[in-house]
Amino acid sequence: ELKVEQNPLFLSMQEGKNYTIYCNYSTTSDRLYWYRQDPGKSLESLFVLLSNGAVKQEGRLMASLDTKARLSTLHITAAVHDLSATYFCAVVSNRDDKIIFGKGTRLHILP
Amino acid sequence: DTGVSQNPRHKITKRGQNVTFRCDPISEHNRLYWYRQTLGQGPEFLTYFQNEAQLEKSRLLSDRFSAERPKGSFSTLEIQRTEQGDSAMYLCASSSHLRVQFYEQYFGPGTRLTVT
Repeated sequence: ELKVEQNPLFLSMQEGKNYTIYCNYSTTSDRLYWYRQDPGKSLESLFVLLSNGAVKQEGRLMASLDTKARLSTLHITAAVHDLSATYFCAVVSNRDDKIIFGKGTRLHILP
Repeated sequence: DTGVSQNPRHKITKRGQNVTFRCDPISEHNRLYWYRQTLGQGPEFLTYFQNEAQLEKSRLLSDRFSAERPKGSFSTLEIQRTEQGDSAMYLCASSSHLRVQFYEQYFGPGTRLTVT
């Protein structure tokens, strides 16, 4: 059964620094989502990654997918306070199209 | 289209009562997913539909939970004989499965259930 692991689960960082969130998954998949969630709110779609080697960028966030390694990364460049939120990766099972979420990375950016 | 909507937004019920939630997806979307999220956790997959057909259901879902999407448009999620452990945010999401570029999944605002 598909399992998704994110790390770190909590990240506190200074504004202006770079960091990477990792998402590993256990079975074959070539579709992966990244979401942002603010406290008390629903999920906002950030990226959809649909093939091996896919890379997408929006502002200070860049996501990539390596289906051979079963790994996706979300890279934050020159973090700003507004990026403080919880970030989830979600993987679509090739077998049955179930979508399995990681536990989330709670990102706190200090001004 | 205004996006995915869910009703009610909040529901407080007593243990043992039945509750029903509704989700209205984006109109051209043929896939609809239900998730449950508890505090500090990621959304947990419950079930999904393609049009009116329920294609997968989580093995963790007890028989007290049932979902329908009778005409392939809105969906309902019913919980019978609620327990305190059912307290959570119930999220609905929709997507289009017809073309690759529309695989993006859009979430509704959620229904927060509190069982007392």
